[in-house]
Amino acid sequence: QVHLVESGGGVVQPGGSLRLSCAASGFSISNYGIHWVRQTPGKGLEWVTFLLFHGNNEYQGDSAKGRFTTSRDTSKNTVYLQMNNLRPDDTAIYFCAKVGLHDPSGHPYHADHWGQGTLVTVSS
Amino acid sequence: DTVMTQSPDSLSVSLGERATIKCKSSQSVLYSNNRNYLGWYQKKPGQPPKLLIYWASTRESGVPERFSGSGSGTDFTLTISSLQAEDVAVYYCQQYLHIPLTFGGGTKVEIK
Repeated sequence: QVHLVESGGGVVQPGGSLRLSCAASGFSISNYGIHWVRQTPGKGLEWVTFLLFHGNNEYQGDSAKGRFTTSRDTSKNTVYLQMNNLRPDDTAIYFCAKVGLHDPSGHPYHADHWGQGTLVTVSS
Repeated sequence: DTVMTQSPDSLSVSLGERATIKCKSSQSVLYSNNRNYLGWYQKKPGQPPKLLIYWASTRESGVPERFSGSGSGTDFTLTISSLQAEDVAVYYCQQYLHIPLTFGGGTKVEIK
């Protein structure tokens, strides 16, 4: 059974850094890419990044460019989102989600399984 | 970026009645493989998004048949044929053809 668990959220000051973790089970992150999506307070969903199944490349949304990077530890079947230079508008619940199919191209298709999310609050 | 525009922002429907949500993309999400890279998600408070529909019209496993998706190119529709109490949620469309992936602003569905 596919399961994803995010952790690492918390309160951080503007300009600070945080690393989120996404522990996966029931599938291998070596076979499926992982999305990060966030929901800001009172607002909608925003796609943040996608780490391809081979782990050698990622796609990023505008909010992540230059500040966020993804990585992984295949021995732990875990994906990480490193967030630097955080701003108040990064305050959100961050979800990781498994891509819906494996494709050699590594394209970021729809997400079929999601974690429960972890809350990040950027405030002084 | 591909802008996804949903309408209406909110919808009030009686139990058992039909709910229809529209989603329009600023550029086509139909790829050369004849697939529309368009998904629909259901979001309830305190829960993660749930995939309902992908490829614009393919129902995810376990999703009730009352949920259906249609459309092609730039114009898409999510239909709930007979609204149930458990369908109260915010619904989002998402295109996944063009990077960055983008979501619509969401449509809140309530019971009348």
